[in-house]
Amino acid sequence: KQEVTQIPAALSVPEGENLVLNCSFTDSAIYNLQWFRQDPGKGLTSLLLIQSSQREQTSGRLNASLDKSSGRSTLYIAASQPGDSATYLCAVTQTSGSRLTFGEGTQLTVNP
Amino acid sequence: DVKVTQSSRYLVKRTGEKVFLECVQDMDHENMFWYRQDPGLGLRLIYFSYDVKMKEKGDIPEGYSVSREKKERFSLILESASTNQTSMYLCASGRGGLGNEQFFGPGTRLTVL
Repeated sequence: KQEVTQIPAALSVPEGENLVLNCSFTDSAIYNLQWFRQDPGKGLTSLLLIQSSQREQTSGRLNASLDKSSGRSTLYIAASQPGDSATYLCAVTQTSGSRLTFGEGTQLTVNP
Repeated sequence: DVKVTQSSRYLVKRTGEKVFLECVQDMDHENMFWYRQDPGLGLRLIYFSYDVKMKEKGDIPEGYSVSREKKERFSLILESASTNQTSMYLCASGRGGLGNEQFFGPGTRLTVL
């Protein structure tokens, strides 16, 4: 059974710092990996989707990488801002279907 | 932009009541999903549907049922609500086929007293 782990569970940084969030998964037979953002009490907003054949995807200050063979993904946030404060979740889709398996998230706080 | 809406942001019900949570998407997506989110347990899949009148059990279907009579609407039903079903419920939709991006609604915070 696929298991997704995110480390650290919480992270607090000063504004302007570059930071990396980590995601690991136990079964490398994935179709893709998706990063989401969740603000308190709200739904999930899709940030980046990386197909298993890709190494990375970029959107603005966000860059996500994928190393399928080692079961790891990172989300890099450049020049962090207080508005980036949220919980970031990664989720994988297995090659066997459309279901997502989620990690528990990293709660990010960017201090002004 | 994809829009997924859920009928209520907050809902309070009593134990034993029948509860309906509605989800509507406006992008003609084939796939629709219901998750619940709990502290320490993350998001867990309850049910999903890949076509009208089709449904598949997720990881935690016990105590829930679903209905998909129209492509744009996916309903989650709690036949007899219990306190352990107090949770945040999230609906998502996505195009058909394997591994397509999922888009989420704003969530419904359900409290069962």
